[in-house]
Amino acid sequence: DIQMTQSPASLSASLEEIVTITCQASQDIGNWLAWYQQKPGKSPQLLIYGATSLADGVPSRFSGSRSGTQYSLKISRLQVEDPGIYYCLQGYSAPYTFGAGTKLELK
Amino acid sequence: QVTLKESGPGMLQPSQTLSLTCTFSGTSLSTSNMGLSWLRQPSGKGLEWLASIWNNDNYYNPSLRSRLTISKETSKNQVLLKFTSMEPADTATYYCAWISPYYYDGTYYYVMDAWGQGASVTVSS
Repeated sequence: DIQMTQSPASLSASLEEIVTITCQASQDIGNWLAWYQQKPGKSPQLLIYGATSLADGVPSRFSGSRSGTQYSLKISRLQVEDPGIYYCLQGYSAPYTFGAGTKLELK
Repeated sequence: QVTLKESGPGMLQPSQTLSLTCTFSGTSLSTSNMGLSWLRQPSGKGLEWLASIWNNDNYYNPSLRSRLTISKETSKNQVLLKFTSMEPADTATYYCAWISPYYYDGTYYYVMDAWGQGASVTVSS
């Protein structure tokens, strides 16, 4: 199975701050990486697919990048609606595996 | 717009079989390169992919393969999941998610882009 190591497990940031979350894949997964946001009591919402492509309706302050087998999600200017848990997902090969999640809070 | 809704028993006893139904609208499994996945999330924990049905093929998480069966009823716009030998550790919210193709940078990516609200399942005696 492909392991997705996500960091940090949690972080606290201020409004308008830049936030970066990373996922390290245990092997090459190409651009088969998606990012999701989950708010309490809700289902996950797609943010990024293909490692860098923004899903429809997602604000442009969210962006994805890749360097080898390391993937990053950046929120350029944190907004009040952005706290939640963020997950990466590799869709390269079954079993499809998620990172453990990053809990983002407002400071 | 694709919408999905999970339905299930809510609670069951250890060793019983869980039967879940995902009813969807706004799309069809008859369309090529579309599919549906089942996933779960124990309370306060992360997400786990269970199974997918895509282009008339079924895919399972190997760690749970012996206990899972995914099937579809195309005319009813439903996908079913059966999960045998349930135990308390299987207590979780179970989600279904639609798989859509996205063409980007020369490649089709198959992405779980719409999720149901989730069905809570508790296994307890």
